[in-house]
Amino acid sequence: QVQVVQSGAEVKKPGASVKISCAASGYTFINYYMHWVRQAPGQGLEWMAIINPSGGGTNYAQKFQGTVTLTSDTSTSTVYMELSSLKSEDTAMYYCARGAFGSGSYGAFDSWGQGTLVTVSS
Amino acid sequence: EIVLTQSPGTLSLSPGERATLSCRAGQNVGTGYLAWYQQKPGQAPRLLIYAASSRATGIPDRFSGSGSGTDFTLTISRLEPEDSAVYYCQQYGYSPRTFGQGTKVEIK
Repeated sequence: QVQVVQSGAEVKKPGASVKISCAASGYTFINYYMHWVRQAPGQGLEWMAIINPSGGGTNYAQKFQGTVTLTSDTSTSTVYMELSSLKSEDTAMYYCARGAFGSGSYGAFDSWGQGTLVTVSS
Repeated sequence: EIVLTQSPGTLSLSPGERATLSCRAGQNVGTGYLAWYQQKPGQAPRLLIYAASSRATGIPDRFSGSGSGTDFTLTISRLEPEDSAVYYCQQYGYSPRTFGQGTKVEIK
């Protein structure tokens, strides 16, 4: 069955960077786009970015341009998100989610990782 | 970006009752590129409905979606205690993909 497993919680100081992984299994990795979604404590869902694991093409929400970088490794079926220049307001749960049931890169998010909590604190 | 506005903010109903959740888009979201998700405390969101009215795999038939253009509805026909959660709508036909602010469903 489809599984999406993320790396564990991270604690970082302001100004630092963090790299989160998202490992996919149970399907053909390169056939589905992967999205990243942020959820601040007690808040709603915010779309951040998308990557095409086949070729590595990316698209970022304007808010995250320049501070978020997505990469993929087809040999391990893993997508990575690096967050740089971290601030306290980046403290949030970060989810990866597979895009499906749509056309091209425009699909609903049918399988979600369990989330990775990133805490930014001095 | 397309703003999605959900109403009501909170819905408090008894088991067996019908829940009607609304999602209004600031502009046309295209031909059914609208999804609904359920999120329970401490869990990742779960896809319920995609393309406005198609149920995702394993979703009970008491959940149904309808609508087009700018007005969409999620209906839970007979509430069960495990339906207590926050429900989000999302448009995925345009970038940036956007979510509504959520509707909390409480079971009395």
